[in-house]
Amino acid sequence: DTAVSQTPKYLVTQMGNDKSIKCEQNLGHDTMYWYKQDSKKFLKIMFSYNNKELIINETVPNRFSPKSPDKAHLNLHINSLELGDSAVYFCASSPRGQELSPLHFGNGTRLTVT
Amino acid sequence: GENVEQHPSTLSVQEGDSAVIKCTYSDSASNYFPWYKQELGKGPQLIIDIRSNVGEKKDQRIAVTLNKTAKHFSLHITETQPEDSAVYFCAASEGAGSYQLTFGKGTKLSVIP
Repeated sequence: DTAVSQTPKYLVTQMGNDKSIKCEQNLGHDTMYWYKQDSKKFLKIMFSYNNKELIINETVPNRFSPKSPDKAHLNLHINSLELGDSAVYFCASSPRGQELSPLHFGNGTRLTVT
Repeated sequence: GENVEQHPSTLSVQEGDSAVIKCTYSDSASNYFPWYKQELGKGPQLIIDIRSNVGEKKDQRIAVTLNKTAKHFSLHITETQPEDSAVYFCAASEGAGSYQLTFGKGTKLSVIP
């Protein structure tokens, strides 16, 4: 009954590879997000999707691309991985309404690029 | 864009004492201020939030206060317990009604039994 689930939990890969992280939410929320948490625990938004439309796109490298096959899924694809991409990536979701609603986070994917 | 400052970065308290974490924000149009708790190996979890039309909100041992004029808000945890040990994040919305949150840099709280 996990609300927001991410796979894999750990991902170790070499520089230059392409990888994907999957996210699914079963809360019926309309908006999904990807956040990056660096080694200093700083959380920064990368993308969000609302009803398959990208509504926030921070200045992240274009090697990162979000893909949403449907409202319940928002996957993150990363091309040509670099050492600096090592971080914990969190997927989150929230309902859409007239007021900003709380984010529900997954448990993260720890990406290590060697 | 919004800028959120959070202090202190680390905080140690004795079990049973109170803990206070403070945040300031820069965008006067921000209207939503949540607090998240992150335990080791897990994602942040909402513990309390406050909107700009309210000055204070309380939920059992946790309370949040908001001073819109000064643009700061605080988290208060009373009667701390070892299970309160975690990293706490404050956040502010990017302007009124924005779906984007800007997070503070976190406070690592340690409750000493």
